[in-house]
Amino acid sequence: GIQVEQSPPDLILQEGANSTLRCNFSDSVNNLQWFHQNPWGQLINLFYIPSGTKQNGRLSATTVATERYSLLYISSSQTTDSGVYFCAAPALYNTDKLIFGTGTRLQVFP
Amino acid sequence: DAGVIQSPRHEVTEMGQEVTLRCKPISGHDYLFWYRQTMMRGLELLIYFNNNVPIDDSGMPEDRFSAKMPNASFSTLKIQPSEPRDSAVYFCASSPRGGDEQFFGPGTRLTVL
Repeated sequence: GIQVEQSPPDLILQEGANSTLRCNFSDSVNNLQWFHQNPWGQLINLFYIPSGTKQNGRLSATTVATERYSLLYISSSQTTDSGVYFCAAPALYNTDKLIFGTGTRLQVFP
Repeated sequence: DAGVIQSPRHEVTEMGQEVTLRCKPISGHDYLFWYRQTMMRGLELLIYFNNNVPIDDSGMPEDRFSAKMPNASFSTLKIQPSEPRDSAVYFCASSPRGGDEQFFGPGTRLTVL
């Protein structure tokens, strides 16, 4: 099945810094989701981005499906951005099912 | 919309007891998913339903786990009997259509002593 890999596994930033998180997937996909799991454990939808670029405030995401990767950009990071960021892609054999990456743990310090 | 609703938010029980987790999907969503999250295994899909019918339960770990969806607005995940290794956070998610964006509930943190 499809493999979803995220990098870096851990990231420590000072407030105000910018960062880029990467998600690689082993096969072509027709959708890609980014989630933020906050320190209270809630999984929050960030982007549903099969291809192209989307922006939402300080966050933006770009998926290049032909090259099998997606990037999540966080600009002017804030302490509330801390948590784990997951990307997820549909399984090849059953696109109803999402395969999650192992996540990038982000810590933003004041 | 209220989003996906799960109850209880926390459950502490003793080994051997029956545990029932509940989920109300977003109205109008045809798909409902149950996931389990642990440190060791990350997020795993346990089972999912389409229009109240179980489609794929290959992720259900053992016969001790069962799930039902009696109607479009309610689903349960039951563990009987529970074991300490079942301790995890259990998420419910829903989606309008297959392959579409999934929305997660707040999760139920289960601790089995």
